[in-house]
Amino acid sequence: DAMVIQNPRYQVTQFGKPVTLSCSQTLNHNVMYWYQQKSSQAPKLLFHYYDKDFNNEADTPDNFQSRRPNTSFCFLDIRSPGLGDAAMYLCATSRDLSTYNEQFFGPGTRLTVL
Amino acid sequence: DQQVKQNSPSLSVQEGRISILNCDYTNSMFDYFLWYKKYPAEGPTFLISISSIKDKNEDGRFTVFLNKSAKHLSLHIVPSQPGDSAVYFCAASGSGGSNYKLTFGKGTLLTVNP
Repeated sequence: DAMVIQNPRYQVTQFGKPVTLSCSQTLNHNVMYWYQQKSSQAPKLLFHYYDKDFNNEADTPDNFQSRRPNTSFCFLDIRSPGLGDAAMYLCATSRDLSTYNEQFFGPGTRLTVL
Repeated sequence: DQQVKQNSPSLSVQEGRISILNCDYTNSMFDYFLWYKKYPAEGPTFLISISSIKDKNEDGRFTVFLNKSAKHLSLHIVPSQPGDSAVYFCAASGSGGSNYKLTFGKGTLLTVNP
């Protein structure tokens, strides 16, 4: 089955210790997104890649970076995690940036910052 | 400023009855609306969508109604089943500028009691 895979499902890191979250897809979609979701909040878009073109949301902190080495993989790097960065991180894909494209989500990575 | 609002954090219904989940939006550029369903420890999965040229879309037990003049949409589940218990997110996108991105509401936790 075509899918969006996120690893690890649970990640514990220490305050200030860099962490990388991974996302891969077998859908061959052009667009990959990273969302942050805190408890009882709406998923918040951090950034997305359309192919190799990176688009950062204006309010995404510099602490968050992303890499997309190929079509299938996309990484979220948090350079110096703070306690406020503890959240669920969701990766999603879509075929392209058309309005009428649904997004397909991975299961998420739950990040805990100690 | 929340552009997509789900004012009921939770809803509880009896098995077999109708579940009605509501969503309001403020951005008049939105013209495509989606409902996602999320189980614990899983990512959101697409449920049903509607474009602004329609006022109703039905898929099995799920029907979405759109009232453009009121900027309101609702998801009806009939009959409700215990397996429908999940968080339901309303999302919207539109044409123009960066409106192709999905804007999510905070979600409504639906509990269907046997």
